[in-house]
Amino acid sequence: GAVVSQHPSWVICKSGTSVKIECRSLDFQATTMFWYRQFPKQSLMLMATSNEGSKATYEQGVEKDKFLINHASLTLSTLTVTSAHPEDSSFYICSATAQDPYEQYFGPGTRLTVT
Amino acid sequence: GQNIDQPTEMTATEGAIVQINCTYQTSGFNGLFWYQQHAGEAPTFLSYNVLDGLEEKGRFSSFLSRSKGYSYLLLKELQMKDSASYLCASLDSNYQLIWGAGTKLIIKP
Repeated sequence: GAVVSQHPSWVICKSGTSVKIECRSLDFQATTMFWYRQFPKQSLMLMATSNEGSKATYEQGVEKDKFLINHASLTLSTLTVTSAHPEDSSFYICSATAQDPYEQYFGPGTRLTVT
Repeated sequence: GQNIDQPTEMTATEGAIVQINCTYQTSGFNGLFWYQQHAGEAPTFLSYNVLDGLEEKGRFSSFLSRSKGYSYLLLKELQMKDSASYLCASLDSNYQLIWGAGTKLIIKP
C-alpha cells in the first residue's frame, strides 16, 4: 500500500510554455502533499506544502505565481510550472502523508527539461 | 538555524561494512529518517528513529542519540546495488522534513 504516482515521468518543453505535473495517491487519502525540487548532486529542496482544499504554503524564495499548486482532492495535487525557463529544468518530486505525519510516501519524480 | 550534516561521498568494498554519519540541529525534533536514492529516482524509505538506540532491519541498521544530535546508518554485507545516495532527514516540530545533502556511497568490487 501507500503508493504515490507522478505523471509525466519526464517532459521536455520550450522556454515560455507551461507544464503541469500530477501527483496522485493511489491507495490512500493524502491529507498533505509536498512538492520538492532537486538539482543534480544536490539534496531535496521543499518548494511547498499543500493541504486538500486550501492554498499551498510556499517556502521562502519559491515564487507562488510561477509554481502553481492545486490540491483539489484527497488523492490529487498538481504543480504547474508557468512560463518555464531553462533554469527551471530539474527533478520534481512529490510526496504525501495520510493521517500519520511521520510517514511520507514519495512519488517516482518528474524530470523537466526546458529548452 | 536548521542544519543537517553528512559526508559528501564514501567508498567501500563489496561484502564489507560501512557507517554513514549524520548530525542534525533542527527546531524541535520528531524523529530521524534515512532514505536511499538511486540516481534519477525518488528517495525510498529505509528507517525511522525517534528513540535513542539501534534499530536493526536486515542488512541495514540505524542509530540515534538525541542528546548528541547524531545518527548513523550502518550497512552490512555490502552489495553492488547498494551504490546510491543516502539521505538523512530530521522531522522538525512542524512535521517538516529537513534534508541533508546526501552521502554518495560508491561500492567497489
